[in-house]
Amino acid sequence: NAGVTQTPKFQVLKTGQSMTLQCAQDMNHNSMYWYRQDPGMGLRLIYYSASEGTTDKGEVPNGYNVSRLNKREFSLRLESAAPSQTSVYFCASLWREGFNEQFFGPGTRLTVL
Amino acid sequence: DQQVKQNSPSLSVQEGRISILNCDYTNSMFDYFLWYKKYPAEGPTYLISISSIKDKNEDGRFTVFLNKSAKHLSLHIVPSQPGDSAVYFCAASLMNYGGSQGNLIFGKGTKLSVKP
Repeated sequence: NAGVTQTPKFQVLKTGQSMTLQCAQDMNHNSMYWYRQDPGMGLRLIYYSASEGTTDKGEVPNGYNVSRLNKREFSLRLESAAPSQTSVYFCASLWREGFNEQFFGPGTRLTVL
Repeated sequence: DQQVKQNSPSLSVQEGRISILNCDYTNSMFDYFLWYKKYPAEGPTYLISISSIKDKNEDGRFTVFLNKSAKHLSLHIVPSQPGDSAVYFCAASLMNYGGSQGNLIFGKGTKLSVKP
């Protein structure tokens, strides 16, 4: 059981470049989430997917798109990266239905120059 | 406006002593609260939680207390160990709601240092 995996672990982009952050879980969870964490800040929700085939905006969705490819995979895309998107990105899946206990991946550290 | 506040960015305690981490919230509708622990370069790890129908939940060395009238919760770690050194995040949610209302709202975290 790998839990929640994220690729890549690190990435450096130039302003205007695009990239996709990948996330997969092998726990058969229905709900998946993308967060960003900035220095001195808590985790802020970007997008979430309550079930396969559905996605919804979170607190800070601007500049991002997501795809729930299947039950296992939930990807986050930056179409035109900006320095303000420099952050650590975490993917999570819902561990226990009804109790909102989320299980997090190890994170992707993204720097946009 | 921050709905979940952790007003102490850092806390330092001696090994063996009690660590008390505090969290305040503003939305009286929150009915489920969680604590996560995060080591550097790792994702947050679920630690303990409490429903609003309880005022205390205990799991080994970790106890969470909830004071609904004060909109305050705290995490007690007894005894503290050097391996407890990490950033602790408080989170709140509306458990009985679906959609975005059921999502977690995180505080900014408190960095705990436990000195040997």
